[in-house]
Amino acid sequence: DVKVTQSSRYLVKRTGEKVFLECVQDMDHENMFWYRQDPGLGLRLIYFSYDVKMKEKGDIPEGYSVSREKKERFSLILESASTNQTSMYLCASSPRTGPGANVLTFGAGSRLTVL
Amino acid sequence: GEDVEQSLFLSVREGDSSVINCTYTDSSSTYLYWYKQEPGAGLQLLTYIFSNMDMKQDQRLTVLLNKKDKHLSLRIADTQTGDSAIYFCAVPISGGSYIPTFGRGTSLIVHP
Repeated sequence: DVKVTQSSRYLVKRTGEKVFLECVQDMDHENMFWYRQDPGLGLRLIYFSYDVKMKEKGDIPEGYSVSREKKERFSLILESASTNQTSMYLCASSPRTGPGANVLTFGAGSRLTVL
Repeated sequence: GEDVEQSLFLSVREGDSSVINCTYTDSSSTYLYWYKQEPGAGLQLLTYIFSNMDMKQDQRLTVLLNKKDKHLSLRIADTQTGDSAIYFCAVPISGGSYIPTFGRGTSLIVHP
């Protein structure tokens, strides 16, 4: 029962290409997140969204943008991919309120290689 | 320093206990969390502890919380090779945020 689905597990792109990473959740969660994960650096928050069409910058938003047109879908966009954006990208969601409000459900990840 | 700190590696022998430690600067939340990431997968919630508790036991897992020292630990009894994974401590930091701050993750390596 997959709850957070990331559309691509592996992508290889060239420097300068525009890249879209898609994430869909089926739990009706208000909050959605994009992280990147690099060895030794752990998870770093890129952007998050607490509602449709709302977005907030995380710790490392430079070089990224996001889109949330529907509640269940949160897209990460690399306008012009660079080699230093080679990484594992993790999408997550959580409910806004209730006992699970701080509990994130993660997708399996998208490993992006930029050549 | 970082808001949430963990050591990067821990190596144990199968059957021994593993203890993964985490220190944090502050917490706004009533819950603190441990996530597990198996190779090639996303993170999954492993366990959590309510902030007014100092210990929680769940089968082979024991979570200890020392609020005074801002120290959280995860003990895995009778560690198995299937426990090899990266373990992340996650603490919502003060400021009213619902967003947890993750430690860098501790890679647990279990030797036969």
